[in-house]
Amino acid sequence: AQSVTQLGSHVSVSEGALVLLRCNYSSSVPPYLFWYVQYPNQGLQLLLKYTSAATLVKGINGFEAEFKKSETSFHLTKPSAHMSDAAEYFCAVTGRNQGGKLIFGQGTELSVKP
Amino acid sequence: DTAVSQTPKYLVTQMGNDKSIKCEQNLGHDTMYWYKQDSKKFLKIMFSYNNKELIINETVPNRFSPKSPDKAHLNLHINSLELGDSAVYFCASRSGTSGGGALSTDTQYFGPGTRLTVL
Repeated sequence: AQSVTQLGSHVSVSEGALVLLRCNYSSSVPPYLFWYVQYPNQGLQLLLKYTSAATLVKGINGFEAEFKKSETSFHLTKPSAHMSDAAEYFCAVTGRNQGGKLIFGQGTELSVKP
Repeated sequence: DTAVSQTPKYLVTQMGNDKSIKCEQNLGHDTMYWYKQDSKKFLKIMFSYNNKELIINETVPNRFSPKSPDKAHLNLHINSLELGDSAVYFCASRSGTSGGGALSTDTQYFGPGTRLTVL
């Protein structure tokens, strides 16, 4: 069985500050992990994914995430927040032979203050 | 040049009605999905089709029936709509061209969503 927990349903940062969105997973098989972003009234867009290669993954828009097996974590970071980063962020997990079935966390809404 | 498109974008209907949502992808993918996003923004998979064959069927009421006329289309038909069906429904498709096989690590591309409101 697989599950994802995102700590903090809402995170607020100032423009230019570090963004840290937390994701912890549980998986009985080697996990593949994803971060998606959803802007208001839009579909989901992939930010980055971990597929068992490099543990530090770089994505679009300056985001990156580090897979830490010992901590079962895949936290998303960005050194400097932009106003345009305000959105809902979803962490998701799947595994081999899962048919690509994504199990999502409950989402974290990121607000960016000027 | 939309990769994954859904129609309609908004759907407002009365309880008890039957409605359909259509999804089309022009990416040449073999695998397509339906997800439901509830009012708390929680996303959950409903169905998946691979090349017109049902491969994932979560615990979804029988009133929901997916249909895939070809690998580029995956429609969702809902009978006897209930208040609890109100949600945003997302279609997605997964990379991996025909014959090459889709991998669990391949990216899923999502459509813009259909907001269903049942009154």
